[in-house]
Amino acid sequence: QKEVEQDPGPLSVPEGAIVSLNCTYSNSAFQYFMWYRQYSRKGPELLMYTYSSGNKEDGRFTAQVDKSSKYISLFIRDSQPSDSATYLCAMSANVGAQKLVFGQGTRLTINP
Amino acid sequence: DTAVSQTPKYLVTQMGNDKSIKCEQNLGHDTMYWYKQDSKKFLKIMFSYNNKELIINETVPNRFSPKSPDKAHLNLHINSLELGDSAVYFCASSQEPGTSNEQFFGPGTRLTVL
Repeated sequence: QKEVEQDPGPLSVPEGAIVSLNCTYSNSAFQYFMWYRQYSRKGPELLMYTYSSGNKEDGRFTAQVDKSSKYISLFIRDSQPSDSATYLCAMSANVGAQKLVFGQGTRLTINP
Repeated sequence: DTAVSQTPKYLVTQMGNDKSIKCEQNLGHDTMYWYKQDSKKFLKIMFSYNNKELIINETVPNRFSPKSPDKAHLNLHINSLELGDSAVYFCASSQEPGTSNEQFFGPGTRLTVL
């Protein structure tokens, strides 16, 4: 069993829909949770960063962490075609910890 | 203005050859990484260097040898290439440990072994 599980999709939704992306993990030491976005043929870039449990909102994006369930989510409101990308969750046990453990990534397509 | 750059962008080679990928960052970061992303988009860390010192060495065949001539550069040399080495290799960098988890990725090197 992988440390971090993420449904690879693909996920295809119409423009304007609310998108929910999720990851589960097994290592209870993880405290820092990230979402990276990767466009086709590009490197991943950090989208959201949260510490421990709770919610964090940034524009149309909301990240949720439920440590008791070992479950994290990324919500995208009013989805746009430009949001079409692969979304990877990543986690680490310590701030600045050099070892990030990534999920497999979910490929998302927003249809105009 | 490129923050993390890699060369080459594409690499096609025959099985058994030796090849190198170069990475440079101009962000002033102390830590650099090599990741391998397979065909299923699974991104896995291979190596990490902090100030030219090897910090992380995951279970990677010893045909792979990283070299950091200075903290702005981290190269990856691969000996005796195998079909299974075909993947996209990403270089990344981050600030000094203890400050941030954000890693900045390069554009990737797509390696195809024939």
